[in-house]
Amino acid sequence: QTVVTQEPSFSVSPGGTVTLTCGLSSGSVSTTNYPSWYQQTPGQAPRTLFYNTNTRSSGVPDRFSGSILGNKAALTITGAQADDESDYYCVLYMGSGIWVFGGGTKLTVL
Amino acid sequence: EVQLVESGGGLVQPGGSLRLSCAASGFTVSNNHMSWVRQAPGKGLEWVSIVYSGGSTYYADSVKGRFTISRDNSKNTLNLQMNSLRAEDTAVYYCARGANSGTYLAPGSWGQGTLVTVSS
Repeated sequence: QTVVTQEPSFSVSPGGTVTLTCGLSSGSVSTTNYPSWYQQTPGQAPRTLFYNTNTRSSGVPDRFSGSILGNKAALTITGAQADDESDYYCVLYMGSGIWVFGGGTKLTVL
Repeated sequence: EVQLVESGGGLVQPGGSLRLSCAASGFTVSNNHMSWVRQAPGKGLEWVSIVYSGGSTYYADSVKGRFTISRDNSKNTLNLQMNSLRAEDTAVYYCARGANSGTYLAPGSWGQGTLVTVSS
């Protein structure tokens, strides 16, 4: 069974740039996996950042960007701010109607 | 304004059943792709099920044969019938409308979730 992989944790300095990735345990991520990205803070519902690889959801600042980098989907934050400290999840379409979330990345801004 | 409000969560014994509902406002459920996503305490998000606007349904292997997703067009709600519940089904259950006003399959708008606890 294919697993969606994300870095368990990442740290970035305020004002810095960080790229979180979303891969597959077997194979490469492409646009046909329709990668989407979500931000979640403790006790809150997820917030949609991107869908269909790089389509920004309403209200998401343009310092966030979505892309395919090599064989993975990527979420890049440029000019990180303190309130970007959150859990970030990706989800991929695996075909046959099935979606699979990654395990999430806990981002620390310090 | 688009709003999703889940209800029906609670404490249930292993092997029991529960029916979750998600009341939608600001749009018509039957015209949108709609999903259920869950999150066990302290864990990550897990995709559970989806119903396409055209009516096709799909399930994660972990719930296939036990859970049923459906729509009640008269009440504009999304439902999740959960049978043969197990301890590992304990989670906050979120309903979500597809992104881009329901035209994309990936979750876009989210409800606040309802907690299901399976325990004796």
